This record gives sequence, C-alpha cells and structure tokens, in this order.
Amino acid sequence: RKEVEQDPGPFNVPEGATVAFNCTYSNSASQSFFWYRQDCRKEPKLLMSVYSSGNEDGRFTAQLNRASQYISLLIRDSKLSDSATYLCVVIEEMGDKLIFGTGTRLQVFP
Amino acid sequence: DGGITQSPKYLFRKEGQNVTLSCEQNLNHDAMYWYRQDPGQGLRLIYYSQIVNDFQKGDIAEGYSVSREKKESFPLTVTSAQKNPTAFYLCASSKLAGDYNEQFFGPGTRLTVL
Repeated sequence: RKEVEQDPGPFNVPEGATVAFNCTYSNSASQSFFWYRQDCRKEPKLLMSVYSSGNEDGRFTAQLNRASQYISLLIRDSKLSDSATYLCVVIEEMGDKLIFGTGTRLQVFP
Repeated sequence: DGGITQSPKYLFRKEGQNVTLSCEQNLNHDAMYWYRQDPGQGLRLIYYSQIVNDFQKGDIAEGYSVSREKKESFPLTVTSAQKNPTAFYLCASSKLAGDYNEQFFGPGTRLTVL
C-alpha cells in the first residue's frame, strides 16, 4: 500500500461547480498534512495546511479525518484558473520529510 | 527578489555522462532538498541538507551525489550509475529543519538522457 494515495483523475468540471478530492495516508502517526498545487510543467506551491479542526481559505476548504486516515480538499465555485494538479502531502512522525501523493488533476471547463 | 533558482531549465545529455544541476537560494534558508518527479508518481526525495557541509540520503539517493559548501547552494550531480536519469528535478528549501516550515520549490530542471 502506498504511503499517500490519491485518485489521479482527471476531474473535469464546469465553471462554478463544487469539486472535492480525497487523499488517504497509511501511517496513523502522521502529524502534518498539506495540499500543494502544481501547474503543468511548473513547480509545486503550497495551497494550504490541513488542521485537525479543518481549514478554510476563500473557496477552498481542507479537512482531516484521523479516524479514517484521510484528508480532503473542497473547491467551491470552480474557476478556470483552478485547473491544475493538487498534491496531497503528509509529514510523518519524525522530522520534516514530506511524503507526496501522485496528485489529482483538475480540469475546469467553460 | 528572494527565491530559488535552478538552471538550466532543460538539459540534454548522452548516456554515460555525469551532469550537475544547479540550485541556488537567497532566502537564507537552512535546509535544502532535491526531488525527482516522474509521470504518474509523486515527488521522491533524493537528498537533503539541514546545514552547510552536511547532507543525508533520501529515498532514492543511488546514482546521485550532492554537496553543500555554501548555505545558498546545493548542486546535484546525476552520475552514470543512475539507471533512469530522465526526469523532472526539483530543488526546494525551507527556513528551519526539524520543525515543519513551508518548502519553497525552484522552477525545476527537465533532464533528458539520450
């Protein structure tokens, strides 16, 4: 089983739609969780951290479910500019080593 | 402007040649990292360094070497021992190792070995 698993997609959604991605992680001792965004052929950039209490930033909401070992990202009112690959990132118990998922590709169409 | 630079953006080499990828940061970050990204796979850690003159192997260090002679610089050498060197190589840095701080990525170098 992979340490961090994501549905690769693509998720094709119209502008204005709400879309959600999940990411599961295998290590129950994982401590920190993040969503990064990566545009085509570009470097990843931090989108948001995921806190136990949930985290909202504008149209984006991230949530953590420790019991089921998954994190989610919800995007409301999708924009064309949201089209990208969303990487789930987990830090395990010790140190600052990031474990990356393979990413979920989102394509928003007009 | 502060940031991380990688050069070159695209690099072509013949099989059997060593090649060195550049990574420079002026963010005054302590830690630096090298990842490779292959299609359909997540980023995988090659090497990382938390302090000058010290570095540790990541998950896929075989066939690679690094140095950290200066805080700002963390070059990666892809040696002929690396069996599948064609990939997208990303360098990152963060303010403090041992406690999570956001990793900032450079624009990457696409290496193609012919």
